[in-house]
Amino acid sequence: SQTIHQWPATLVQPVGSPLSLECTVEGTSNPNLYWYRQAAGRGLQLLFYSVGIGQISSEVPQNLSASRPQDRQFILSSKKLLLSDSGFYLCAWSVGMRGRYNEQFFGPGTRLTVL
Amino acid sequence: SQKIEQNSEALNIQEGKTATLTCNYTNYSPAYLQWYRQDPGRGPVFLLLIRENEKEKRKERLKVTFDTTLKQSLFHITASQPADSATYLCALRSSTLGRLYFGRGTQLTVWP
Repeated sequence: SQTIHQWPATLVQPVGSPLSLECTVEGTSNPNLYWYRQAAGRGLQLLFYSVGIGQISSEVPQNLSASRPQDRQFILSSKKLLLSDSGFYLCAWSVGMRGRYNEQFFGPGTRLTVL
Repeated sequence: SQKIEQNSEALNIQEGKTATLTCNYTNYSPAYLQWYRQDPGRGPVFLLLIRENEKEKRKERLKVTFDTTLKQSLFHITASQPADSATYLCALRSSTLGRLYFGRGTQLTVWP
């Protein structure tokens, strides 16, 4: 069966510090991968998605970046965190476009607080 | 611009009653619509998918309807239980764009 991992579970970082969040998926190949942010009282905001290694699409211009160095690994990064980067970060995967369904499977999330 | 609205931020009902959650959308031509459940501090969990050519879909105590004329989906939980308390999100996949667009969610509380 498929499993998605995210770490760390919680993170407290000072403004201006770098960020690296990692997501890995097991039990599937060539997944579509996604990074979302969920701020308090707000909906899921898609940040990045990837349909393959090295292929990253950005939805919202900001100081975050994403990389996909391996088929089942997705990394969210920042060189300098802002207060507004605080939130609940969720990684998700879905079967590639040829799949029958495109429901997304979410990881456990990372709670990031920028102070 | 595209917009998804879920009827209210919070819905409180008594155990045993039917909970009805609403998802309205504008400026989309959705290929399908999905409903997710999210518990506090956890990632959303997929519940149901309904395609644009389907009127209704059922799964156990859950029922989803999809009216592309009204641009609305209704999500019903029959015989609700306190364990059904969670935030429910609707999401649309546009027929022209591959991504999902999520609503803000409705927080459902079922009290004994």
